[in-house]
Formats: sequence, C-alpha cells, structure tokens
Amino acid sequence: AQKVTQAQTEISVVEKEDVTLDCVYETRDTTYYLFWYKQPPSGELVFLIRRNSFDEQNEISGRYSWNFQKSTSSFNFTITASQVVDSAVYFCAIPGGGTYKYIFGTGTRLKVLA
Amino acid sequence: ETGVTQTPRHLVMGMTNKKSLKCEQHLGHNAMYWYKQSAKKPLELMFVYSLEERVENNSVPSRFSPECPNSSHLFLHLHTLQPEDSALYLCASSQVDRIWSGANVLTFGAGSRLTVL
Repeated sequence: AQKVTQAQTEISVVEKEDVTLDCVYETRDTTYYLFWYKQPPSGELVFLIRRNSFDEQNEISGRYSWNFQKSTSSFNFTITASQVVDSAVYFCAIPGGGTYKYIFGTGTRLKVLA
Repeated sequence: ETGVTQTPRHLVMGMTNKKSLKCEQHLGHNAMYWYKQSAKKPLELMFVYSLEERVENNSVPSRFSPECPNSSHLFLHLHTLQPEDSALYLCASSQVDRIWSGANVLTFGAGSRLTVL
C-alpha cells in the first residue's frame, strides 16, 4: 500500500538559513505523481508542486527546489534563504488507497525565526 | 470571490446539536472533497463527490452526512457529534478526468474549526 513518511515533525531555523524537508514514500505503482502542499496558519493547504515519476529532473522555483530520487523513493523540498513567511506546515502526498484518494504525510512544521 | 470558501470558520457545538458546514468553490471544478484534520494525524478523506455524485465514502460515522446539491456547493451536516470529532474540517475541489490518474491538484478552503463540547 502507498505510504508517505515525513520523519521531521518540527524544524526551527533562523531567517536566511537553508532548510530541507524530507519526504519518503512507498508505492506499488510504476507511474505516479508526488505533491507538496503548504499549510500556513490561516488553514488552507496551498499547492506547491506536482512531480511525475517519469521526470527525475530537479525543479527550482525561486527560493524553492525539489530533489526527486526515485532510487531512494524520496522527494525532498529545500527552501533557500528562508523567510518568516515560510513558517507553515508542509505536507507531502501521493495518490493511493483508491480513486480520488491521496495519502498525505503527517506534515513537517517549519518555524522560521527572525 | 475566488477559490474555495468555507463557512463558518469556527464552530462550537454541544453533543446534541445539529449544525452544518458549507463549502463553495468558484473554480469550475467537477469534484469536491471533505477532509478531516486532527492533531498529529494525517489528513483523512471523508467524502468525495464527482459530478455531484458521491463516489467515495470512507466508512465515516453516520453522524456526518454530506450533501452536494450542485458542482459548486458542498455541505457537511453534523448531528450528535462526539468530543473526538473536534478537528479542522477542510473542503477541497479539483478538476478530475474520466479516468483517474492521480494527477489532480487539490484546491483547499481555509477550513472550519469544529469544537464539540
């Protein structure tokens, strides 16, 4: 069965530090998608990225970058030069468990201190 | 308004009350979802409606009753709840294809924080 593990429950960094959030997944599917969402204190989960398992190229979007390693089943997320506004809970997710279902990790709470 | 809107944002109810949560999406999506988010637990999918038809029900207790009158509106009717039902209830929507691929991006509302006394 599909599973997503975010081993880091909470991370605290000082502003401008780089931080990496880990995501390890399990799936029986040969092709699949991986997602990251951000949940700021306001509550709504905000979509950050979707990655197709066919594409192992790393992706960069501004201060955000993602490292997809199919060989180790990991899809890690790095924030460069973190800012206070990056403080949120970050979730990794993968489709699984049936139609329309996604398996979410338990999330990593990131605190960026000024 | 844009995106997914949920009301009320906060709700406190007794175990014998009946209340409803409302969700509205302005994105033209054809699927809507209710998720439950409890402390230190992964998000739990409660219900999914695609094209206003319920397609998934994850064995949620009958004290939760969903209603989807059209593709833009979704309700969660609550009655005789238990204190352990206190949680953040998130509504989401997405555009789904005829064949499920797992590629759909979910757009979430800000949630309704429910406290059951």
